Amino acid sequence: DIVMTQTPLSSPVTLGQPASISCRSSQSLVHSDGNTYLSWLQQRPGQPPRLLIYKISDRFSGVPDRFSGSGAGTDFTLKISRVEAEDVGVYYCTQASQFPYTFGQGTKLEIK
Amino acid sequence: EVQLVESGGGLVQPGESLRLSCVASGFIFRNYAMNWVRQAPGKGLEWVSVISSGGYTDYADSVKGRFTISRDNSENTLYLQMNSLRAEDTAVYYCAKEPLGGGVTEDWGQGTLVTVSS
Repeated sequence: DIVMTQTPLSSPVTLGQPASISCRSSQSLVHSDGNTYLSWLQQRPGQPPRLLIYKISDRFSGVPDRFSGSGAGTDFTLKISRVEAEDVGVYYCTQASQFPYTFGQGTKLEIK
Repeated sequence: EVQLVESGGGLVQPGESLRLSCVASGFIFRNYAMNWVRQAPGKGLEWVSVISSGGYTDYADSVKGRFTISRDNSENTLYLQMNSLRAEDTAVYYCAKEPLGGGVTEDWGQGTLVTVSS
């Protein structure tokens, strides 16, 4: 199974400041079709997960442009350009390049 | 608008069975792969199972042989039959839809809680 490792596991951030979360996979996420199926999910308290970013850097419908994704191969990053109060929650990277789909441990974003 | 509504959760004893349902609307259900993903209380996400539009299925090792995923395209409903339940199956179970090209769980339901306890 592909292991997804996120850092940090907790990120206190000041409102209006940037935030960054890293995700590393135990093997390349490049699929045989040439795509890299690495996504980022946001889970606000008491809510189901919500897709933010897919295929490394594509923003899902309705996601603010302050969220961006980057990376390649085994190393990926989610960046929030200016954190807002509504961004509080847990962020997960996940891969769907190979079964079983796997998730990172989650990174808790909180406001300082 | 895509809607996924799970039901069927509850409190069961170890060794018992439960069937979860997920009613889909807002898209042509039969054309899309669907997943079950669970989240134990206070823990992270764990993928459970997938069923493709063509009926291909796959399972996490932790549930293989005990859980069965299925779909009724005429009823726009996804199912998860869970047998021989264990305490470690206690979790909120979410159904999640993939896009036509696959490769991501793009829409999620609100989840249904399964508690396995004596």
